[in-house]
Amino acid sequence: DTGVSQDPRHKITKRGQNVTFRCDPISEHNRLYWYRQTLGQGPEFLTYFQNEAQLEKSRLLSDRFSAERPKGSFSTLEIQRTEQGDSAMYLCASSLGGSGLSNQPQHFGDGTRLSIL
Amino acid sequence: DAKTTQPPSMDCAEGRAANLPCNHSTISGNEYVYWYRQIHSQGPQYIIHGLKNNETNEMASLIITEDRKSSTLILPHATLRDTAVYYCIVRVSGSARQLTFGSGTQLTVLP
Repeated sequence: DTGVSQDPRHKITKRGQNVTFRCDPISEHNRLYWYRQTLGQGPEFLTYFQNEAQLEKSRLLSDRFSAERPKGSFSTLEIQRTEQGDSAMYLCASSLGGSGLSNQPQHFGDGTRLSIL
Repeated sequence: DAKTTQPPSMDCAEGRAANLPCNHSTISGNEYVYWYRQIHSQGPQYIIHGLKNNETNEMASLIITEDRKSSTLILPHATLRDTAVYYCIVRVSGSARQLTFGSGTQLTVLP
């Protein structure tokens, strides 16, 4: 039973560079979520997909951030022109949702830790 | 989604039951209580959830008061590996919405 997989686990980059993270959800899960977590805080929601459709975006998701889930399977999160404040753990979660499947829990990956120099 | 209140930290002796409280006094009738935990440098791990009846699985038990305004997560025999931040989250039934995490309770299991 493979869980949610995220790649890379760690990313160090210079300010101003672009970075892209990948999330592979649990295979039958149609819902996929991105969260951001800074030190000492709980995860904060960024965006959510149902299949390939991006249905909700947080105000935290500035125009430098973009997420895709082109075939309704894996997802990518790109940050352009990174800033110091982007340093955080980026978490992906997936769940199974739809008619008759309410309240299924979200399952998280172990995240990508981004450090901006 | 209703707001939750948890103590910032708790200690528990190894082998004893850990009882983690959560207050959700503004919970609505269609809101579930979810518990997650996060071990250092890992993603949150789902533990259990419930609506109004007590629930038990291989990890823990969830006791929800009759008025649903508070709940307790019970780890029956805590081990050192249970040391983690525990989050209590309330979420509307059937919602596809994101989870809203608070600050959680740092549980430290002592040898």
